[in-house]
Amino acid sequence: GESVGLHLPTLSVQEGDNSIINCAYSNSASDYFIWYKQESGKGPQFIIDIRSNMDKRQGQRVTVLLNKTVKHLSLQIAATQPGDSAVYFCAETAGNSGYSTLTFGKGTMLLVSP
Amino acid sequence: DTAVSQTPKYLVTQMGNDKSIKCEQNLGHDTMYWYKQDSKKFLKIMFSYNNKELIINETVPNRFSPKSPDKAHLNLHINSLELGDSAVYFCASSQTGHYQPQHFGDGTRLSIL
Repeated sequence: GESVGLHLPTLSVQEGDNSIINCAYSNSASDYFIWYKQESGKGPQFIIDIRSNMDKRQGQRVTVLLNKTVKHLSLQIAATQPGDSAVYFCAETAGNSGYSTLTFGKGTMLLVSP
Repeated sequence: DTAVSQTPKYLVTQMGNDKSIKCEQNLGHDTMYWYKQDSKKFLKIMFSYNNKELIINETVPNRFSPKSPDKAHLNLHINSLELGDSAVYFCASSQTGHYQPQHFGDGTRLSIL
């Protein structure tokens, strides 16, 4: 199958649990961060973003936390559902031009059991 | 009503051939991108175009030639395909501006025999 040989970090949770997916970034100049969800056979889908002038941002069932001191980003998913099963990527960008180049993290696979 | 659409979804071909992948977006964005995703799911930017002009080329071999006939389309032509070109290629688009999220198509899986 598609996952043979794929060694992504994996988080396994039960339906209804809260999930936390972590991401470390290295560029201290990064000032805009995005979380994407990628389901099998699909492209990355925008979930939530945050600018570096914020520490926390909430969406529907999701919260992103940003700790610039330790260059760490996390995505919290409340009441995780089987439909949340996917690979999650953080992406960062830096720069003062109008053109943003996203640098993606390695991805974390979230598996939700009913 | 697909926002970013790519064709074909699957492309199987032999080494040495030339192939093209097409991308169209109906979001009214003026910046478009090509990314390559390898077998380990790592996503890397290849090119970015803004209003039909190339603005980012991330040291991609010149066998890869993007073309943007208008700001809603960004096609990718690949000459002399090699085994290492096997990957999933994603097109994306965004509004111009630093704090603009990119929206992705569903990818083209390229397999070189």
